[in-house]
Amino acid sequence: EPEVTQTPSHQVTQMGQEVILRCVPISNHLYFYWYRQILGQKVEFLVSFYNNEISEKSEIFDDQFSVERPDGSNFTLKIRSTKLEDSAMYFCASSDRPIAGVLFGPGTRLTVL
Amino acid sequence: GNSVTQMEGPVTLSEEAFLTINCTYTATGYPSLFWYVQYPGEGLQLLLKATKADDKGSNKGFEATYRKETTSFHLEKGSVQVSDSAVYFCALSDGRSQGNLIFGKGTKLSVKP
Repeated sequence: EPEVTQTPSHQVTQMGQEVILRCVPISNHLYFYWYRQILGQKVEFLVSFYNNEISEKSEIFDDQFSVERPDGSNFTLKIRSTKLEDSAMYFCASSDRPIAGVLFGPGTRLTVL
Repeated sequence: GNSVTQMEGPVTLSEEAFLTINCTYTATGYPSLFWYVQYPGEGLQLLLKATKADDKGSNKGFEATYRKETTSFHLEKGSVQVSDSAVYFCALSDGRSQGNLIFGKGTKLSVKP
């Protein structure tokens, strides 16, 4: 069964450093997403991406965040200058029909020291 | 704005007990409703969904019925197993957004043998 994959599984970085989280969505999906889950809190939407552009973003997704689909398979989330409060689990997701739900990857745990 | 409210956890049950996890929502229009499950150390898995009023989603013995009159989507299972121990998230997508999911806070279920 096809699945969304994410790398790395755990990323540790120093405050102020740039990080890039990588995702490979399911191959025939056209809608891509990033969500995050701060430890013990609810899952929060960050951004959705369709047709090579951002279709929606939340208040969390400020100028420090960016997304890119550099080739036909990868989907990345970049945080330009990490802050302590960016520590969270980041989930990539994809969908072929959003009304029917999205499928999530296993997540990348980001720890900012 | 749109929101999802779940019953507070944790919920602890004995094996073969009946499970109900309450979920109510606030949304404009006609949202799609979902239950996701997160097993320890893993990502989010789509458990079941319903896209219109009176639809019943079901999977792995779990069921939930989309009740527009009570704005609810309660999750039920007739006989839980130890392997059902996980965190369960209710979520909605308001149909106007392309898969932007709004999650409840999650309910942790522990099933004892």
